[in-house]
Amino acid sequence: AQTVTQSQPEMSVQEAETVTLSCTYDTSENNYYLFWYKQPPSRQMILVIRQEAYKQQNATENRFSVNFQKAAKSFSLKISDSQLGDTAMYFCAFMKQGGSEKLVFGKGTKLTVNP
Amino acid sequence: DTGVSQNPRHKITKRGQNVTFRCDPISEHNRLYWYRQTLGQGPEFLTYFQNEAQLEKSRLLSDRFSAERPKGSFSTLEIQRTEQGDSAMYLCASSLPPGANVLTFGAGSRLTVL
Repeated sequence: AQTVTQSQPEMSVQEAETVTLSCTYDTSENNYYLFWYKQPPSRQMILVIRQEAYKQQNATENRFSVNFQKAAKSFSLKISDSQLGDTAMYFCAFMKQGGSEKLVFGKGTKLTVNP
Repeated sequence: DTGVSQNPRHKITKRGQNVTFRCDPISEHNRLYWYRQTLGQGPEFLTYFQNEAQLEKSRLLSDRFSAERPKGSFSTLEIQRTEQGDSAMYLCASSLPPGANVLTFGAGSRLTVL
């Protein structure tokens, strides 16, 4: 079974600064996907960024980028130029390729962006 | 595309009562997932459908829980004889045909069992 670990329950950052959220995972699979989802307070979960395990290049989406280290089974999220609207719970998730394509989530990191 | 819709958004019930949640996925999505999220935890997989077929159920889905997707469109999740431990957010997600990999989530239905 796959497991996802987020070791930082809470983090805070000043507006306009950069913050990195950590995620490690455990799997024996070779083909999989990794995701970061954002869940603002009382709002639905939305996809931030996705990484295919077979791609060596790290994914980027505007101010969001990942550092994917496959051998170390590490998948961190970097948020640049943090904005107040980035305040949310951030969940790292694993998806095995094929089959149900269900997501396995970590426990989340609560990020607060301070003005 | 109106997104994934879930109703009711919040349900308060007494222990022992039955509750039902409804999920309307994005219209062209043929996969539908149910997750449970308790306070301070990440979502946990409960079950998923491809069209009307329920293809996988988690061990978390006790015999008091039943999910249906009768015509491959909307889905219902029923909890019978609710217990206080059932208090949680129940999330629904849908996805495009296999291989698209991205799940789109609804806003969730929060259950409080008194």
